[in-house]
Amino acid sequence: EVQLLDSGGGLKQPGGSLRLSCATSGFTFSSYAMNWVRQAPGKGLEWVSTITSGGSTYYADSVKGRFTISRDTSKSTLYLEMNSLRGEDTAVYYCAKGSMSSRGGWFDPWGQGTLVTVSS
Amino acid sequence: DIVMTQSPDSLAVSLGERATINCKSSQSVLYSSNNKNYLAWYQQKPGQPPKLLIYWASTREFGVPDRFSGSGSGTDFTLTISSLQAEDVAVYYCHQYYSTPALTFGGGTKVEIK
Repeated sequence: EVQLLDSGGGLKQPGGSLRLSCATSGFTFSSYAMNWVRQAPGKGLEWVSTITSGGSTYYADSVKGRFTISRDTSKSTLYLEMNSLRGEDTAVYYCAKGSMSSRGGWFDPWGQGTLVTVSS
Repeated sequence: DIVMTQSPDSLAVSLGERATINCKSSQSVLYSSNNKNYLAWYQQKPGQPPKLLIYWASTREFGVPDRFSGSGSGTDFTLTISSLQAEDVAVYYCHQYYSTPALTFGGGTKVEIK
């Protein structure tokens, strides 16, 4: 069974940093693209970032230059390093497995989500 | 980026009745080389992550009840719940994975019981 376990969320002040993790199991981690998607309180889904199986990375304009996605294949774990946090980054962050090795593809499954709150 | 527009924002349907959700993309998500529509549908219940229902616009994910169906091509798509059950109360999202890297979602449609 494919499983994704998000962690690392919390309360941070504006300008702060945070690293999210997504521990995975049940599939060949190195063969698939992985993604981060966020959901602000009461709002819809927003794609944040993708890393392909080959290590290419892509970001939404809203986080480009502030967030960094990475993966540790030896640990089957996905990361999101978040810097220069802003109030509008407040959201539940989900990791999601891509259906393909490249950046396209649907997302399945999703982690349970980890809440990031940016507030002074 | 491709903009995905869902309608309606919410709908209330009686148990056993049909629910229809529309999704329109600002440009075609049909890839001509394989004739596939790069469009997925997800269901999100309160306090839970999204769950994949449909991919390639009309392929039902394993284990998804057959009352859920997807249709459409190009820029116009529909998710239909043929006979609404109480457990179908949720928010439904469409998602295009044609135009990378920004894999955009629709704004969501909330389905409730009338």
